[in-house]
Amino acid sequence: QVQLVQSGAEVKKPGASVKVSCKASGYTFTSYGISWVRQAPGQGLEWMGWISAYNGNTNYAQKLQGRVTMTTDTSTSTAYMELRSLRSDDTAVYYCARGNWNKDWGQGTLVTVSS
Amino acid sequence: QLVLTQSPSASASLGASVKLTCTLSSGHSSYAIAWHQQQPEKGPRYLMKLNSDGSHSKGDGIPDRFSGSSSGAERYLTISSLQSEDEADYYCQTWGTGIGVFGGGTKLTVL
Repeated sequence: QVQLVQSGAEVKKPGASVKVSCKASGYTFTSYGISWVRQAPGQGLEWMGWISAYNGNTNYAQKLQGRVTMTTDTSTSTAYMELRSLRSDDTAVYYCARGNWNKDWGQGTLVTVSS
Repeated sequence: QLVLTQSPSASASLGASVKLTCTLSSGHSSYAIAWHQQQPEKGPRYLMKLNSDGSHSKGDGIPDRFSGSSSGAERYLTISSLQSEDEADYYCQTWGTGIGVFGGGTKLTVL
């Protein structure tokens, strides 16, 4: 079965960077892109961006342009999302999901930004 | 601008049916959407992809009680024979020109 397993919770100070990993299994990794979605406490889902696992092409949400980078490592079927210059309003659960339509979701990674 | 609009809340009785609505912004009525369910304190779960003609493809293990339909710019999720575990937030999501968009979500209360 398809599984997306994310890295563990992180606590960061404002201005720092965080890199979240998402290891995929149960399907051909390069056949689907990976979407990244976040959810601030008590809020709805926010699309962050998408990366093609086939060729590395990316699309990012306009509000995150310049602060986010998404990458993949096809040798380990792992996707990564790095967010820089962290602010308190970046505190959220970060999810990876398979494909444009998010057919399978990772378990989520809580990132807390606090001084 | 591609926007999805959902009512913030809905409620229905145990065993009854409920129809949730997701409305596509003007000029985007042909777009497909996906429905996702998020139960309390859990991550989201994909329910189905719903096309503009009403055809839909459900995720693995999604009960037959969940169905989708479309009319113009409206996309619907109908849940029949409501159970307590259906109490959750429901999000619609679409994809257009390389950009993903989520609706604000509907909180469903099962009475």
